[in-house]
Amino acid sequence: KAGVTQTPRYLIKTRGQQVTLSCSPISGHRSVSWYQQTPGQGLQFLFEYFSETQRNKGNFPGRFSGRQFSNSRSEMNVSTLELGDSALYLCASSLVRGTNYQETQYFGPGTRLLVL
Amino acid sequence: GENVEQHPSTLSVQEGDSAVIKCTYSDSASNYFPWYKQELGKRPQLIIDIRSNVGEKKDQRIAVTLNKTAKHFSLHITETQPEDSAVYFCAASISNYGQNFVFGPGTRLSVLP
Repeated sequence: KAGVTQTPRYLIKTRGQQVTLSCSPISGHRSVSWYQQTPGQGLQFLFEYFSETQRNKGNFPGRFSGRQFSNSRSEMNVSTLELGDSALYLCASSLVRGTNYQETQYFGPGTRLLVL
Repeated sequence: GENVEQHPSTLSVQEGDSAVIKCTYSDSASNYFPWYKQELGKRPQLIIDIRSNVGEKKDQRIAVTLNKTAKHFSLHITETQPEDSAVYFCAASISNYGQNFVFGPGTRLSVLP
């Protein structure tokens, strides 16, 4: 099976702009989670989507949003970019066998966002 | 909320020696604890995981132990090899509903030849 893919891989934006990142999960995986990775804060959970619904949410401002499509592909949007949003954004997909059961997450290669 | 601490932040061992990384968590409701390895410029990859109903799990040179009472879990790598050099992250689930994890800050392991 093909792994998790993310596009674009690299992105340069300026403050105040918005950006949309895309994630295609492993075929059959219906859960997609998003993470922000920075040297200072490490890996931080943004949100999880399952069946086109946001199921879990981390502690990020409302400028960070996402959605999931019927084919499980997911997009993440960051509006009004700030310098501190520069980071590696990772998505991870999981097979879902039950709502109360944590599954192995398979990460994509990430999108490296630089905000100038 | 859940807090995951991880020690040490850096670890250097000689090839062939063992390496141990320890994590502690705060939420007693956490019940799933994965470990990830991230090589430079690459994506995190799961290397082993453990659920709260198990005290120890082993996969070849890698093992994880869990002490629910003390709320800590550890990664053990035996017979280390240079290709084990990477950053290792522990994580703890913070929701019984879906995928929601808090990650430790990471341990940079260097295996010296």
